[in-house]
Amino acid sequence: DADVTQTPRNRITKTGKRIMLECSQTKGHDRMYWYRQDPGLGLQLIYYSFDVKDINKGEISDGYSVSRQAQAKFSLSLESAIPNQTALYFCATSEGLGQYFGPGTRLLVL
Amino acid sequence: KQEVTQIPAALSVPEGENLVLNCSFTDSAIYNLQWFRQDPGKGLTSLLLIQSSQREQTSGRLNASLDKSSGRSTLYIAASQPGDSATYLCAVDGDTGFQKLVFGTGTRLLVSP
Repeated sequence: DADVTQTPRNRITKTGKRIMLECSQTKGHDRMYWYRQDPGLGLQLIYYSFDVKDINKGEISDGYSVSRQAQAKFSLSLESAIPNQTALYFCATSEGLGQYFGPGTRLLVL
Repeated sequence: KQEVTQIPAALSVPEGENLVLNCSFTDSAIYNLQWFRQDPGKGLTSLLLIQSSQREQTSGRLNASLDKSSGRSTLYIAASQPGDSATYLCAVDGDTGFQKLVFGTGTRLLVSP
């Protein structure tokens, strides 16, 4: 079984809809991250969390929110999706040295 | 603000060649640098991590070097194979050590049989 899982793997939604992307990990890491990747660009950090009570904004947090429900779960929400949020979204975990990534969620906002 | 650049953006080589991928960063105050591999439809796989106090790391046919003072890292792949075809990303962690990675845009590698 994969150490970092993301659901759904693919999602198509419409402008204005609320959508949640979920991430779970079995690595026992405290640190979790959400990134987005646009074609031809590197990954950009959206939010990160160092433990259940710690949530921090990354470079591009506008239009997104997160919830750290447990050490193993970190969810990303788009409250009102817009087309320029179409991207590949990655969750990652870390124990402090190096990061481990999930397989990604491909999101299309029409 | 840290910026990470990777050159070339794309590279096509025949099987068996040795090759070098380049990564440069603007702020030399880094905690570590990681090289990742990204396959289509899959997540990122960590290849090598070089801490700021280190000069290089090796894993199998891969060797990564780090020159903090010049803001450069290279990933050397020996005896390339078709299975090496993927996008290679480098990412730097600022000196906070909080693993807030700044990524380059990647080098897309194609190794032909």
